[in-house]
Amino acid sequence: AQSVSQHNHHVILSEAASLELGCNYSYGGTVNLFWYVQYPGQHLQLLLKYFSGDPLVKGIKGFEAEFIKSKFSFNLRKPSVQWSDTAEYFCAAQPDSWGKLQFGAGTQVVVTP
Amino acid sequence: DTGVSQDPRHKITKRGQNVTFRCDPISEHNRLYWYRQTLGQGPEFLTYFQNEAQLEKSRLLSDRFSAERPKGSFSTLEIQRTEQGDSAMYLCASSGLQSSYEQYFGPGTRLTVT
Repeated sequence: AQSVSQHNHHVILSEAASLELGCNYSYGGTVNLFWYVQYPGQHLQLLLKYFSGDPLVKGIKGFEAEFIKSKFSFNLRKPSVQWSDTAEYFCAAQPDSWGKLQFGAGTQVVVTP
Repeated sequence: DTGVSQDPRHKITKRGQNVTFRCDPISEHNRLYWYRQTLGQGPEFLTYFQNEAQLEKSRLLSDRFSAERPKGSFSTLEIQRTEQGDSAMYLCASSGLQSSYEQYFGPGTRLTVT
């Protein structure tokens, strides 16, 4: 079955540490890829997206992600996290442009001061 | 841009009752999506519209669920004869040519079935 997998359900790290969240998808062919973030008490917000072109994409708040087609991966990174990055992070794939998003289960990230 | 709005934000209902939720998309967006999210899971697709046409409906969606978008603007999602398993956050999102495939999400309606 087509799916999106996120490797970690919970991550705890200290401020200034580096963050990398794994995401793998099982779709063949062209697929749009997204990372969304949900801060406590807020709605889902788009962090970054990949449609085509440069496989290294930069998003808001210092986040970036790398698309590796051979590994069906789209991992999210941030070199130095802040306490305000505490949130739940969701990877999503869109096999048909304009169509539905298939989300992973999410990763809860807690950044300690 | 006022964002996607949803009403109500919270709904508590007894098992067997019908409930209806409303979603108002970003005004220039012609696509509207409904998702459901339960604790510890990512959002799960329910259905989506392009203008007033319902283009796709999840096979997981029971016949008790129905959605409409009569004038291609706001949408309603109705659940008939609610069950405890329907308790979840119901999310609405919209997209349009201006947003380049991106879906913008509303705050959600949290449904609790007692």
